[in-house]
Amino acid sequence: NAGVTQTPKFRILKIGQSMTLQCAQDMNHNYMYWYRQDPGMGLKLIYYSVGAGITDKGEVPNGYNVSRSTTEDFPLRLELAAPSQTSVYFCASSYTGDRGEQYFGPGTRLTVT
Amino acid sequence: GENVEQHPSTLSVQEGDSAVIKCTYSDSASNYFPWYKQELGKRPQLIIDIRSNVGEKKDQRIAVTLNKTAKHFSLHITETQPEDSAVYFCAAGTRQLTFGSGTQLTVLP
Repeated sequence: NAGVTQTPKFRILKIGQSMTLQCAQDMNHNYMYWYRQDPGMGLKLIYYSVGAGITDKGEVPNGYNVSRSTTEDFPLRLELAAPSQTSVYFCASSYTGDRGEQYFGPGTRLTVT
Repeated sequence: GENVEQHPSTLSVQEGDSAVIKCTYSDSASNYFPWYKQELGKRPQLIIDIRSNVGEKKDQRIAVTLNKTAKHFSLHITETQPEDSAVYFCAAGTRQLTFGSGTQLTVLP
């Protein structure tokens, strides 16, 4: 099993550009999550999904969109990138959301200049 | 929503000593309390977790205690080693997790 994979590892965007961060898991997990981690800070939940076709907002959803068309994939879309979106983005998955261990991907380091 | 506070933000201990990190949470509905270790530039990795129906859990040198009445839980690391140096995060929640702001633990040789 590859676990949770994310692409790209690094990306530099100009203000106003858009991009999609890819996340995939091969553990047949129902739940998937997107977090951002600013330098020296904890993780903040952006969006999460409890299964294909179902998504919900987390703590900091503004400026982002997600979709979940398959169990395996959970892409995060940034529209009109802003410097405030400079962060490390982690995708995670779990078998169940309620008291289930979350497995994290390796992260995507995004810089918006 | 849930609010998790974590203390201290930095902690230095001598090798072999114990380290304790404390977290408080606000939502009484939270029933899952994991602890993650994150090394520099790496992903968070689960080191131990506890469910709301348990007061204490131990795994070798690591233990977690939970006081649901007071809404706080703690991580205890005994016999610390240099490889324990990392940032540790607590979290609380149910379907969603809210993370604390992290504790930078440094184990001095």
